[in-house]
Amino acid sequence: NAGVTQTPKFHILKIGQSMTLQCTQDMNHNYMYWYRQDPGMGLKLIYYSVGAGITDKGEVPNGYNVSRSTTEDFPLRLELAAPSQTSVYFCASWDRGRREKLFFGSGTQLSVL
Amino acid sequence: LAKTTQPVSMDSYEGQEVNITCSHNNIATNDYITWYQQFPSQGPRFIIQGYKTKVTNEVASLFIPADRKSSTLSLPRVSLSDTAVYYCLVGEPGGGNKLTFGTGTQLKVEL
Repeated sequence: NAGVTQTPKFHILKIGQSMTLQCTQDMNHNYMYWYRQDPGMGLKLIYYSVGAGITDKGEVPNGYNVSRSTTEDFPLRLELAAPSQTSVYFCASWDRGRREKLFFGSGTQLSVL
Repeated sequence: LAKTTQPVSMDSYEGQEVNITCSHNNIATNDYITWYQQFPSQGPRFIIQGYKTKVTNEVASLFIPADRKSSTLSLPRVSLSDTAVYYCLVGEPGGGNKLTFGTGTQLKVEL
């Protein structure tokens, strides 16, 4: 099992551009999450999904969009990127039947210049 | 949502026991308490989880008092490699919780 896979690992985006951060998990988990982590700070929840076709906002959803067309994939879309979106983005998944572990991807380091 | 409060930072020396406490005054009946460890440039990873009393695994112990309004992560005999940020997380997805993390505790272990 690969677990939670995020791509790309690094990316530089120009102000006003758009891009999609990819997240895929092969554990058949229902719950998936997107977090952002600014330097020296904790994790902030952007969006989450409890299953295919169902998404909801977290703490800091402005400037982002998500979709969940399959159980495996949970892409995060940045529209009109701003410098304030420079951060490390983590995707995670959780199986309700195994509450012990929230599995995280290795992160995407994004710079908006 | 169960909000958590942890110390911002802690310092220790190799071989000492470290206890990190998390306050969660509005914990719900169905909420579990889970601790995660995060190294720089990596995603958090699971350490331990509990509901009440004491839980122990190969790396840590978790102490939860009867009122469950706080919890203490205990790391025995820390080493330099335990230098990391530790997060306390309260809740579970089935309860509608959005799994929000607190600010975490930066543990620094020195020789």
